[in-house]
Amino acid sequence: KNQVEQSPQSLIILEGKNCTLQCNYTVSPFSNLRWYKQDTGRGPVSLTIMTFSENTKSNGRYTATLDADTKQSSLHITASQLSDSASYICVVSVKAGNMLTFGGGTRLMVKP
Amino acid sequence: SQTIHQWPATLVQPVGSPLSLECTVEGTSNPNLYWYRQAAGRGLQLLFYSVGIGQISSEVPQNLSASRPQDRQFILSSKKLLLSDSGFYLCAWSVSSGGRSYGYTFGSGTRLTVV
Repeated sequence: KNQVEQSPQSLIILEGKNCTLQCNYTVSPFSNLRWYKQDTGRGPVSLTIMTFSENTKSNGRYTATLDADTKQSSLHITASQLSDSASYICVVSVKAGNMLTFGGGTRLMVKP
Repeated sequence: SQTIHQWPATLVQPVGSPLSLECTVEGTSNPNLYWYRQAAGRGLQLLFYSVGIGQISSEVPQNLSASRPQDRQFILSSKKLLLSDSGFYLCAWSVSSGGRSYGYTFGSGTRLTVV
């Protein structure tokens, strides 16, 4: 069964600190992995997308890594800002398909 | 560039009333279209997807239905809402090429409260 597990479920950090969110998946055959940021009451917005051959991809203060051998991904947020408070969702898609498997998300709260 | 529009942003409806949520996509042709529901504090659940006009696949049996009257229009409906239909509804689109999907962009969502 295709599954995406994210940890931690929630996280509180102080403004300016770094944090790392984890994503483990069992989706097969793997096509790509996306990280989305979802502000409360809004639709998810794509941060990064990585294919099998990509190990890391950055988008500003967000850096995603992918280890296709261990089927793990992480999202590292550097120098956090209050506006980083949101849910971060890991999403994996299979080859030759349009369906995505969603993780449950990590709810991040950045405090001043 | 491609954009996706979803409305209304919020909706409060009484139990037993009908529902119609609309989603349109601009800037692309023959997109794959999706309706998701997100319960409070939960992940996204795929409700319907469509790969073309009049082609609807249902992932979860429920009180809702979907229609695609035009290439870039996707509608989520219900004849009689239940309290359990409350939630955050998201429309999304993607484009398929060479067996892979591209884009996968979400709309801004509709917060539905059934009272």
